[in-house]
Amino acid sequence: QKEVEQNSGPLSVPEGAIASLNCTYSDRGSQSFFWYRQYSGKSPELIMFIYSNGDKEDGRFTAQLNKASQYVSLLIRDSQPSDSATYLCAVNGDSSYKLIFGSGTRLLVRP
Amino acid sequence: DGGITQSPKYLFRKEGQNVTLSCEQNLNHDAMYWYRQDPGQGLRLIYYSQIVNDFQKGDIAEGYSVSREKKESFPLTVTSAQKNPTAFYLCASRTGQTADTQYFGPGTRLTVL
Repeated sequence: QKEVEQNSGPLSVPEGAIASLNCTYSDRGSQSFFWYRQYSGKSPELIMFIYSNGDKEDGRFTAQLNKASQYVSLLIRDSQPSDSATYLCAVNGDSSYKLIFGSGTRLLVRP
Repeated sequence: DGGITQSPKYLFRKEGQNVTLSCEQNLNHDAMYWYRQDPGQGLRLIYYSQIVNDFQKGDIAEGYSVSREKKESFPLTVTSAQKNPTAFYLCASRTGQTADTQYFGPGTRLTVL
């Protein structure tokens, strides 16, 4: 059974700090990796995707991928209270049409 | 406006009833998906469809049925065989071109009375 693991949290950081969210996956054949943000009671919205080893930056967000160690992380710089949400990691499954989701990490940014 | 719509937003079902959740997209996406989310849990795949008139079971298909008669529409029926249907149901779609990126509708919250 292919799995995607995330620490459920909550991860609590002060406003302005860097929040670091981590995700590990079991399938070495996975090629595509995604981070979604989900506010309470709402649907997930895509933040970033990454395919290659290394870092990918988009504004305050940086996704990091290490295929050898099978982990992907999301860094949020200058965290804001509006970043408080659950962050879902997703990895492509046994076909490019399917994604496997982790259970999410809840982030709390304290004012 | 382009996007994915789901209706209704909230749905209440009596035990023994079948209910159908609507999902429509005007993004011209090829593939569509249905997920279920329980409190504090990740998303579990119910069914997915890559093209019209074709669909595959996901990880938790028992007690659910779907159809894909039009590219824009992928309705989900929750049957009375689904023993614990209370959950948040999410529909998603993807282009088939932009790698695997899936985009979600706003969701339907189903409660069994």
